[in-house]
Amino acid sequence: SYELTQPPSVSAAPGQTARITCGGHNIGTRSVHWYQQRPGQAPVLVVYDDSDRPSGIPERFSGSNAGDTATLTISRVEVGDEADYYCQVWDSSSHHVVFGGGTKLTVL
Amino acid sequence: QVTLKESGPVLVKPTETLTLTCTVSGFSLSNPRMGVTWIRQPPGKALEWLVQSFSNDARSYGSSLKSRFTISKDTSKSQVVLTMTNMDPVDTATYYCARILEAGAPYYYYYMDVWGTGTTVTVSS
Repeated sequence: SYELTQPPSVSAAPGQTARITCGGHNIGTRSVHWYQQRPGQAPVLVVYDDSDRPSGIPERFSGSNAGDTATLTISRVEVGDEADYYCQVWDSSSHHVVFGGGTKLTVL
Repeated sequence: QVTLKESGPVLVKPTETLTLTCTVSGFSLSNPRMGVTWIRQPPGKALEWLVQSFSNDARSYGSSLKSRFTISKDTSKSQVVLTMTNMDPVDTATYYCARILEAGAPYYYYYMDVWGTGTTVTVSS
């Protein structure tokens, strides 16, 4: 089955840029989606289809995907961005939704 | 406005069957490119996809738990029901339902655009 690998934690100072990676074999050939989960809350979609943003998501959130790595980039990080972030793909071989293990973003 | 709301027991005993209901509003379960999926999250752990169901009754199940799950829907009530048999303490988790969208063609992909708030289920005697 397809696997996604995320770093357990990433940190950034307010105003800086945070980059969260999601690794998978030839992930660049798949559509990658990203979710933000603040403590005690349900996940929220922040990027879909590699780089599109749902309405209401700030432009500070952007995504890219090539080769074996997809990246969620958060520009001008704010304290309110502190959360767990999960990447997700659809594995057409197994007909499964696949999540990465999640990355905790700490805003220093 | 699209909303989903999970409901069900807070506590179940080991070996019992868990039944959770997801009540949706703002969209129809008959829409061919929209479905409902169930995802759970044990305390302090990552998200785990369980199962999804679409309007054409196409279903997909997570491999490790497939034999224990059943998903059904009542379109007239806008409800999707998850049944999980033989519950175990390791099944203690917050269970979310979410709307799952089918996009892309011919190489389809799926993602969850709206989530319920989740319901916490504890399995304990």
